[in-house]
Amino acid sequence: QQQVKQSPQSLIVQKGGISIINCAYENTAFDYFPWYQQFPGKGPALLIAIRPDVSEKKEGRFTISFNKSAKQFSLHIMDSQPGDSATYFCAASKKGGADGLTFGKGTHLIIQP
Amino acid sequence: DTAVSQTPKYLVTQMGNDKSIKCEQNLGHDTMYWYKQDSKKFLKIMFSYNNKELIINETVPNRFSPKSPDKAHLNLHINSLELGDSAVYFCASSRVGEQFFGPGTRLTVL
Repeated sequence: QQQVKQSPQSLIVQKGGISIINCAYENTAFDYFPWYQQFPGKGPALLIAIRPDVSEKKEGRFTISFNKSAKQFSLHIMDSQPGDSATYFCAASKKGGADGLTFGKGTHLIIQP
Repeated sequence: DTAVSQTPKYLVTQMGNDKSIKCEQNLGHDTMYWYKQDSKKFLKIMFSYNNKELIINETVPNRFSPKSPDKAHLNLHINSLELGDSAVYFCASSRVGEQFFGPGTRLTVL
């Protein structure tokens, strides 16, 4: 049973456009929702994260939108740049994080110049 | 300064061998983890550990065992390696939710 579903699997966006990646979760015990960026040959790097007491969080060009009733959250990358080309993972964890992160299957994002 | 480091970066070995991967964090975090990333890039938790509790993902074979000599280190020991163990293994550490990952160890079992 996949507890965090991520879409799309791959995404091509023109430079300057908006990249949108969506995730849905099933377990209502999740209370922390991070997004990770991974470049080839590197470890996942924490990009931005949100807790369910807010509906949106923005850091620079990256925004998380969170819909608690729908159990969905999404990542928006504004003014997408070729350097943003990477694999993006949504994830979720329960309070305290002792069980670790449950990841989505990832989105391969390509920003075309 | 590297926050979470792993050694070795690459590990090639024969089926049936026993191997270890080392992980160190200099962030002063209380909890450390091991994750497995398969050939399709799917990341899955294997273990989480702090100095009080070890939580094991029930799908992890008992050939895999974490060992923590101290709070800053969590090593992964793998016995009787199998072809299906080939993957990238990531160590991570956290305090209050935010997890930081190491650079990974690519294990290839021949």
